[in-house]
Amino acid sequence: DAGITQSPRHKVTETGTPVTLRCHQTENHRYMYWYRQDPGHGLRLIHYSYGVKDTDKGEVSDGYSVSRSKTEDFLLTLESATSSQTSVYFCAIRTSGGEYEQYFGPGTRLTVT
Amino acid sequence: AQSVAQPEDQVNVAEGNPLTVKCTYSVSGNPYLFWYVQYPNRGLQFLLKYITGDNLVKGSYGFEAEFNKSQTSFHLKKPSALVSDSALYFCAVRDRNSGNTPLVFGKGTRLSVIA
Repeated sequence: DAGITQSPRHKVTETGTPVTLRCHQTENHRYMYWYRQDPGHGLRLIHYSYGVKDTDKGEVSDGYSVSRSKTEDFLLTLESATSSQTSVYFCAIRTSGGEYEQYFGPGTRLTVT
Repeated sequence: AQSVAQPEDQVNVAEGNPLTVKCTYSVSGNPYLFWYVQYPNRGLQFLLKYITGDNLVKGSYGFEAEFNKSQTSFHLKKPSALVSDSALYFCAVRDRNSGNTPLVFGKGTRLSVIA
């Protein structure tokens, strides 16, 4: 998994509560990404980061915020969780060099009740 | 804009038979193309990529993919399927001239290899 860990791996939370998911990498990659995976939708980009304190929105960013205060950590926050945010969340990094392949963490399964 | 289409939600193939998982793409320039595989309860694993050069690309686990520029396709193939190949497969694309934009993924194709 290219030195990528995600925590927690599973979480159940109630509607309206804040939730923070953590992605940690050990190889000093500059680019990091958060995706969600849902049946029938494949992978959809939520937010990404191209350096410390540099982030940008993806196609499904509403209801999510991110922060990156250190190279190794990329946090995804659901300010007030909704049932539509029940999903599996994947973090990814992009390798250095020209080809831009991405490597993924093991995922976090989030259930909002 | 970049996009990827995987026209089949599900592909069924008998063990030992050849398999093909289809992917077509749309970019304004020249593409970088990728295939990933996802086993149950796991993250996506990189299989292979096309950057430039030979249109036939070989990757992990005996998989290969053929880049066809005129048909804007990048189909994944394997000469002889194994039951262990059963998984979810994703195609992804990035325009070479799109700066630092992330990969765009298809919706995935579930491959089922039947013994």
